[in-house]
Amino acid sequence: GQQLNQSPQSMFIQEGEDVSMNCTSSSIFNTWLWYKQDPGEGPVLLIALYKAGELTSNGRLTAQFGITRKDSFLNISASIPSDVGIYFCAGQSPSGTYKYIFGTGTRLKVLA
Amino acid sequence: NAGVTQTPKFQVLKTGQSMTLQCAQDMNHEYMSWYRQDPGMGLRLIHYSVGAGITDQGEVPNGYNVSRSTTEDFPLRLLSAAPSQTSVYFCASSYSGSGHGGYTFGSGTRLTVV
Repeated sequence: GQQLNQSPQSMFIQEGEDVSMNCTSSSIFNTWLWYKQDPGEGPVLLIALYKAGELTSNGRLTAQFGITRKDSFLNISASIPSDVGIYFCAGQSPSGTYKYIFGTGTRLKVLA
Repeated sequence: NAGVTQTPKFQVLKTGQSMTLQCAQDMNHEYMSWYRQDPGMGLRLIHYSVGAGITDQGEVPNGYNVSRSTTEDFPLRLLSAAPSQTSVYFCASSYSGSGHGGYTFGSGTRLTVV
């Protein structure tokens, strides 16, 4: 089946540093979503992207819908300890309106 | 508080037992879905529903049944539990199936099958 590759799988960074992560697919997607999951909780939506080339910000977070429609990027500026968690991308399958495919996640740890 | 409520939060089952994971939302969302989360696998879609009385299979439906008799509730039934079904299960809902505005997730049910 379709797969989304997220990288890196995990990262340790110092507080105040900027973070970049990405999600790539072998298929074209119509929508990209970025979620954050805290321990013991369900994922929470951070940013939604609906158009190729779209660049959207949510506070210190910025995400982009790749021009090829096969990738998306998430950047976090000036990281803080509460940014720790798992970040997931999700792409809307072009084969079905109701099906989103999730990436395997990027686990972020922030060192104070 | 409005949102998606899942019960129970934790459950241990013996192989072969059956059980129902409950999911309820009070946001009048038409679309509801069940995912399972396994280490290194991300979230995989089990079943979904686009409205009361309408359900369909996702990526990993085997061993699970669903029904949608009301807009609010979308229970997931494990027919005969197997160790391979040990996982964290998440229910999600959205106003539309396109996910415009994103899905709202419950806090999950951690299931262990021994």
